[in-house]
Amino acid sequence: NAGVTQTPKFQVLKTGQSMTLQCAQDMNHNSMYWYRQDPGMGLRLIYYSASEGTTDKGEVPNGYNVSRLNKREFSLRLESAAPSQTSVYFCASSVDRDYGYTFGSGTRLTVV
Amino acid sequence: GENVEQHPSTLSVQEGDSAVIKCTYSDSASNYFPWYKQELGKRPQLIIDIRSNVGEKKDQRIAVTLNKTAKHFSLHITETQPEDSAVYFCAASRVGITGGGNKLTFGTGTQLKVEL
Repeated sequence: NAGVTQTPKFQVLKTGQSMTLQCAQDMNHNSMYWYRQDPGMGLRLIYYSASEGTTDKGEVPNGYNVSRLNKREFSLRLESAAPSQTSVYFCASSVDRDYGYTFGSGTRLTVV
Repeated sequence: GENVEQHPSTLSVQEGDSAVIKCTYSDSASNYFPWYKQELGKRPQLIIDIRSNVGEKKDQRIAVTLNKTAKHFSLHITETQPEDSAVYFCAASRVGITGGGNKLTFGTGTQLKVEL
């Protein structure tokens, strides 16, 4: 039982490049989330998917897109990376009966 | 939207002492308040949570208190140990709509250092 799996763990991009961060959970959770973590700013919600087939913007969605591919998978895409998107990205999932998040191990992204 | 403020940003205590971290929230409709612990280079992990129909919850050396009137909640760690050293995040959300998920708003974190 792997929980929440994120790939890749590390990535360096040049400004303007695109990439997709992958996230998969094997706990049959309905809801999935993407957060970014920056020093001194806590975790900020980028996008979330309350259930399969739905996605909604969070606090900081600009420059990102998401796809809820199926119940297990929720991907985050940067179409044209900018240095301001240098951050650690965490995927998480939750189930309505207890609401607690299970986080993935994170992706450290550097945009140069 | 919801706004969560967390204090202090850093906290240093001696081993065996107690530590208290405080958070305030802005949305009176918020009803779920979890606390996460994040060790260096690791993912955040849920350590305790409380819902708005409860004023206090304990789990061994950890307790959380909630004051709905004042819109603040606190984490209390007693008999601190070196392994308690980490960053702690509070969060708040409104839950209960079936299928609505749980959009957490996080505080900015408290770096707790337990010194020998």
